[in-house]
Amino acid sequence: GENVEQHPSTLSVQEGDSAVIKCTYSDSASNYFPWYKQELGKGPQLIIDIRSNVGEKKDQRIAVTLNKTAKHFSLHITETQPEDSAVYFCAALTGANNLFFGTGTRLTVIP
Amino acid sequence: KAGVTQTPRYLIKTRGQQVTLSCSPISGHRSVSWYQQTPGQGLQFLFEYFSETQRNKGNFPGRFSGRQFSNSRSEMNVSTLELGDSALYLCASAGGLQETQYFGPGTRLLVL
Repeated sequence: GENVEQHPSTLSVQEGDSAVIKCTYSDSASNYFPWYKQELGKGPQLIIDIRSNVGEKKDQRIAVTLNKTAKHFSLHITETQPEDSAVYFCAALTGANNLFFGTGTRLTVIP
Repeated sequence: KAGVTQTPRYLIKTRGQQVTLSCSPISGHRSVSWYQQTPGQGLQFLFEYFSETQRNKGNFPGRFSGRQFSNSRSEMNVSTLELGDSALYLCASAGGLQETQYFGPGTRLLVL
């Protein structure tokens, strides 16, 4: 089955700096990679996603890159703000439509 | 469009009891997936329903079951509760196969 690894588990950055979270996956048949942000007491919220036919996608301060050959994908947040503080999860959707999650990264943006 | 809703939001049960959780998907979505989230195990897939049929199943014991109604609303049932079943149970809805999943706020279950 699919195995998604996520690093780092915790990340602290100064406000205005960039944050990068990396994930690897094992199943070459996985073809859709969403990123979710989870704030305390809430369910995960989709922030950006990428499909396997695309190498990079950007939405304002958030970008995701995908390297299919190496089976890794990354989330980049630029100009971080205190409200970016949350737990971020990467995920990979297999051909069988199962969504496997990474273990999460707790991002703290220090004002 | 209204988002995914889950009821109840909080629940306290004792060992051996059973519990039923409800999920109403985004209007028009036919796929509902259920996940268990715990600090130790993270987010784990339970099962997925599409058009009233279970399409996928994770590695959970048979005490965990679900169903989906004709209006796409879904219920999840856990029988003979164990302390280890304490978790946040999340449901996510999607329009169909290989489509984006949108999560509800979850039901926090505490088993005493």
